[in-house]
Amino acid sequence: QKEVEQDPGPLSVPEGAIVSLNCTYSNSAFQYFMWYRQYSRKGPELLMYTYSSGNKEDGRFTAQVDKSSKYISLFIRDSQPSDSATYLCAMSGGTGFQKLVFGTGTRLLVSP
Amino acid sequence: GAGVSQSPSNKVTEKGKDVELRCDPISGHTALYWYRQSLGQGLEFLIYFQGNSAPDKSGLPSDRFSAERTGGSVSTLTIQRTQQEDSAVYLCASSARGNQPQHFGDGTRLSIL
Repeated sequence: QKEVEQDPGPLSVPEGAIVSLNCTYSNSAFQYFMWYRQYSRKGPELLMYTYSSGNKEDGRFTAQVDKSSKYISLFIRDSQPSDSATYLCAMSGGTGFQKLVFGTGTRLLVSP
Repeated sequence: GAGVSQSPSNKVTEKGKDVELRCDPISGHTALYWYRQSLGQGLEFLIYFQGNSAPDKSGLPSDRFSAERTGGSVSTLTIQRTQQEDSAVYLCASSARGNQPQHFGDGTRLSIL
């Protein structure tokens, strides 16, 4: 079993929809949680990061961490066709952002 | 440039050849990382450099893989005697310090024939 599980999708939604992307993990030592967006043939781009449990909001994006359930989420409001990409969750232990453990990514398709 | 730069962007080589992949981190970033992304797989950690400390090589899959970082800046990942299973995208990332978020380059797409 992988340390980080993520549904590969694809997840198809109409423009304007609220998107929910999720990851589960098994290692209780993870303290830092990140979401990256990756367009085709590009490197991952950091969207948001959180430390420990709680919520964080940045524009149309909200990240949630539930350490008791070992479950993290990324919500995208008012989704746009330009949001179509692969979304990768990543996490690491208490020493910081070293040696990230990634999910396999969820492919999101937002249709006009 | 402002971001992490990797070269070449694409590399095709024959099985058994050696390859070198280059990474220029963001200026001033002391931490540098290499990852491998295979089709259908998540990013797999390979190696981590932090300043002048000994690198963390715990993710290198075999002794055919090695990396160095000269002068605390540019890094080279070398794969000797390449095998077809080495075909993947090799991504480099850097961060201001080891406890700061990582920023990625666009990777080198390596194909072994």
